[in-house]
Amino acid sequence: KAGVTQTPRYLIKTRGQQVTLSCSPISGHRSVSWYQQTPGQGLQFLFEYFSETQRNKGNFPGRFSGRQFSNSRSEMNVSTLELGDSALYLCASSLDGLYGYTFGSGTRLTVV
Amino acid sequence: AQSVTQLGSHVSVSEGALVLLRCNYSSSVPPYLFWYVQYPNQGLQLLLKYTSAATLVKGINGFEAEFKKSETSFHLTKPSAHMSDAAEYFCAVSGRNYGQNFVFGPGTRLSVLP
Repeated sequence: KAGVTQTPRYLIKTRGQQVTLSCSPISGHRSVSWYQQTPGQGLQFLFEYFSETQRNKGNFPGRFSGRQFSNSRSEMNVSTLELGDSALYLCASSLDGLYGYTFGSGTRLTVV
Repeated sequence: AQSVTQLGSHVSVSEGALVLLRCNYSSSVPPYLFWYVQYPNQGLQLLLKYTSAATLVKGINGFEAEFKKSETSFHLTKPSAHMSDAAEYFCAVSGRNYGQNFVFGPGTRLSVLP
């Protein structure tokens, strides 16, 4: 079965712009989580959605937001981009959000 | 609060030698524990997980890990390293409720020398 699909794979944006990243979970998975990976901070949790509701949120500023659609696909949005937002953004999906998460290959965002 | 420490940001072993990657965790409640591997420009692949069944957990690619509550450790081992094992390895802890997020360790980069 198809894995977790993240689009696009690579993005280059300018400071101050906004960006939307997309994640299509494994079919039947209802929980989607997002993580940011940077060399300095490592892997950090952004938020988790289950059945279109945000169930858990990490310690990121309000510029980072997300949503989940009725088909479980999820998007995350970053507004007013800063250089420090350059990172690999990983999406993971799970049937129920307990522990069986599968990660996508990520979207690498570069802010210039 | 939960946290994970991984001793050694970079570990080098010879091909065929034992691989030992260390992970210690801190958690106020019994956690779930995981090891993930990441190859360059890739996402994370689950190697194995501990969810309170057997304390010795076997995973993919010949890896295994043992949960030791008294030592708050979950070290990853493989008897014989292969060149294809060269990658970044992350230990992670999560709570046992739905929607709990992973807290990842800083990672250990494994190099395998011919």
